[in-house]
Amino acid sequence: KNEVEQSPQNLTAQEGEFITINCSYSVGISALHWLQQHPGGGIVSLFMLSSGKKKHGRLIATINIQEKHSSLHITASHPRDSAVYICAVNSGGGADGLTFGKGTHLIIQP
Amino acid sequence: NAGVTQTPKFQVLKTGQSMTLQCAQDMNHNSMYWYRQDPGMGLRLIYYSASEGTTDKGEVPNGYNVSRLNKREFSLRLESAAPSQTSVYFCASRRGGLETQYFGPGTRLLVL
Repeated sequence: KNEVEQSPQNLTAQEGEFITINCSYSVGISALHWLQQHPGGGIVSLFMLSSGKKKHGRLIATINIQEKHSSLHITASHPRDSAVYICAVNSGGGADGLTFGKGTHLIIQP
Repeated sequence: NAGVTQTPKFQVLKTGQSMTLQCAQDMNHNSMYWYRQDPGMGLRLIYYSASEGTTDKGEVPNGYNVSRLNKREFSLRLESAAPSQTSVYFCASRRGGLETQYFGPGTRLLVL
């Protein structure tokens, strides 16, 4: 069973700061996902990646397969970025479900 | 295009009662999933259906049954609810293989 660890668990920062959230996993994967969950519960997929780096707006996700590690970066953070960010992995190559980290609760203060 | 829908949004049950959580997707996805989310535990997979006509157990299947009614619908049944099943339940779907998963809005279940 893959173990997915995220750090930090909680992060409070000021508006405009550069944010980094880390994710490590114990067993080789076929893909890694970054998800966002706002208060009220809805879960949205931000990125799915299996190698390298992806960028969408102010969000950047990287993965190092050899080190079993991924990072999610937020540039020029804004209060609307306040949410729980969840890392999840596909361990198999088929349609099996995701294994999730416990999430990072991010608060961006104005 | 509604994406993934779940009903009900909120439910209170007494111990021993049964209920079915409904999930439907209109994206023609092959694979569907049921997860539960508990404080401090993260999301955990209960059951999944890789394609119409198939279902498989996930990490925490005890106390639950599922039905893949057709390609659109995947229901989760609690036959005899227990307080330990108090949780937020999310349904998700994806086209198949290594694709993005789309989540429903969740069902909050309280078992007294």
